[in-house]
Amino acid sequence: DIQMTQSPSTLSASVGDRVTITCRASQSITTWLAWYQQKPGKAPNLLIYKASSLESGVPSRFSGSGSGTDFTLTISSLQPDDFATYYCQQYNSYPYSFGQGTKLEIK
Amino acid sequence: EVQLVESGGGLVQPGGSLRLSCAASGFTFSSYVMNWVRQAPGKGLEWVSAITGSGDGTYYADSVKGRFTISRDNSKNTVYLQMNSLRAEDTAVYYCAKRGSGSLSSYFQHWGQGTLVTASS
Repeated sequence: DIQMTQSPSTLSASVGDRVTITCRASQSITTWLAWYQQKPGKAPNLLIYKASSLESGVPSRFSGSGSGTDFTLTISSLQPDDFATYYCQQYNSYPYSFGQGTKLEIK
Repeated sequence: EVQLVESGGGLVQPGGSLRLSCAASGFTFSSYVMNWVRQAPGKGLEWVSAITGSGDGTYYADSVKGRFTISRDNSKNTVYLQMNSLRAEDTAVYYCAKRGSGSLSSYFQHWGQGTLVTASS
């Protein structure tokens, strides 16, 4: 089974900051990686798929990169609506797996 | 517009059973793999199970294998999760999720609102 490890677990930042979240897979998943944003009490929302493809309707300040085992999600200039929890997910093979999440907090 | 509406959650004693339903609309249901994903209170996301569009292929997380069964009724545009031998650690919000379009789009593009399952005495 493929294990996904995100870092950091918590990130404190300010509006306007550039932030990066890292996700590492325990084996190569080529680019079969997605990123989701989740707000309290709500279902997750797809941001990025295939490691770097932006989902329709998602602001361009979100971007993804990486391949193989190492991936990043970058928010170029944090907005108040971006404070949430972010998850990576591999869909290279079953059982699909998620990272443990990164909570982005207001500094 | 894609809509996924889960139902069937509730309080059940450990060892008991529950069947969740997810009613889908806004897309050609029989063409898509459907998934269940859960989230324990205050915890992260865990993929639970998937079923192919025709229903002839099913996949499970090790944590539920042998206890949960996924199925679908394409005439009713509904996917089900039969949960038996429930444990306290199965307590979670259960989400129904639809994959993206295209043959290599197995990410979760659409999600339901979730239904809460509580296994407790």
